[in-house]
Amino acid sequence: DAMVIQNPRYQVTQFGKPVTLSCSQTLNHNVMYWYQQKSSQAPKLLFHYYDKDFNNEADTPDNFQSRRPNTSFCFLDIRSPGLGDAAMYLCATSRARGGSETQYFGPGTRLLVL
Amino acid sequence: GQNIDQPTEMTATEGAIVQINCTYQTSGFNGLFWYQQHAGEAPTFLSYNVLDGLEEKGRFSSFLSRSKGYSYLLLKELQMKDSASYLCAVRDSNYQLIWGAGTKLIIKP
Repeated sequence: DAMVIQNPRYQVTQFGKPVTLSCSQTLNHNVMYWYQQKSSQAPKLLFHYYDKDFNNEADTPDNFQSRRPNTSFCFLDIRSPGLGDAAMYLCATSRARGGSETQYFGPGTRLLVL
Repeated sequence: GQNIDQPTEMTATEGAIVQINCTYQTSGFNGLFWYQQHAGEAPTFLSYNVLDGLEEKGRFSSFLSRSKGYSYLLLKELQMKDSASYLCAVRDSNYQLIWGAGTKLIIKP
């Protein structure tokens, strides 16, 4: 089945220790998104790629970086995780950016920072 | 600024009908989405409205009034598995999705 896959589902890291979350998709979608979602809050868009074109949200901390080496894979790097970065990280894809294009989400990676 | 408002929490009874409201103020409008999110899981797409009126899809219906900046999601014949958060999201003039914080729906037997 075509889908969005995130690994790992749960990630524990130490304060200040770099961590990488991964996302892959078999939908062949052009756009990939990374969201941060904290409990009972709206998903917060961190950045997105339209093909290889990287788009960073203005309020995304410099601590967060992303890489998209090819159409199928996208990575979220947190260079120095703080306690406030503990959250669910959601990867999503869409065929394009406009109109009725639906975003399809992966199962998420829950990050715990000790 | 851009804003999406939804009730934080609602409670309903199994077998009943519930309406979840969403009001929005955004820079432009290019459609409104409803997503369902079970606890600890990813959001899944439920519906999309871009024109005024009611869209029906099985037990779920979604309504839009662009002039009022208002939408609702109507869930009929509630089942226990419908216990989840329901997120409203609006696509603005820059084609960005602006998300609400979600409405947690609790279904009681």
